Amino acid sequence: GAGVSQTPSNKVTEKGKYVELRCDPISGHTALYWYRQSLGQGPEFLIYFQGTGAADDSGLPNDRFFAVRPEGSVSTLKIQRTERGDSAVYLCASSFQGGEAFFGQGTRLTVV
Amino acid sequence: SQQGEEDPQALSIQEGENATMNCSYKTSINNLQWYRQNSGRGLVHLILIRSNEREKHSGRLRVTLDTSKKSSSLLITASRAADTASYFCATDAGTYKYIFGTGTRLKVLA
Repeated sequence: GAGVSQTPSNKVTEKGKYVELRCDPISGHTALYWYRQSLGQGPEFLIYFQGTGAADDSGLPNDRFFAVRPEGSVSTLKIQRTERGDSAVYLCASSFQGGEAFFGQGTRLTVV
Repeated sequence: SQQGEEDPQALSIQEGENATMNCSYKTSINNLQWYRQNSGRGLVHLILIRSNEREKHSGRLRVTLDTSKKSSSLLITASRAADTASYFCATDAGTYKYIFGTGTRLKVLA
């Protein structure tokens, strides 16, 4: 597509529920990144895919967070048993071989 | 964890003035990128500068990189109200994992 697409743009969920956030990267981009951004902070690295595999998942805060990219394109970030502290904007980016990373508009997750 | 720190945290200038933001980082890098963010949502890529480059220009933007001091600066010349945004640097240490700084909030007054 023309840019990185993230859905939904906003998600409100109850504490304890499961959520999935989707990212559709720029066509042909091999690398895909997930970041989390809290108010007033810079984006915090979560996970990076090269193709289908997670090349670096060192930023995932705990085992409630999981991400997949089964066909090397679309990725889904999954959060189990959501907590109020998970509330943030989740940003996805894609790039080709370590070049400029292009970001989507993000999903604002609110856990109530 | 955040690798970079932008300085100043906030900057307020008059339209037409130049704005300079600085970024310091801790480890050796392959490249450094500058981004702009409006209203806390998507980041817009501005410039990528590689470790073997010292300066790059793009329109009203000028970026410098000093690897010996582990620092970079972003200069916006002849600022406009539309330049009001948060600006972030992001570094890649060769692992393709971009680590962001804490950002500079720029306000350009008309």
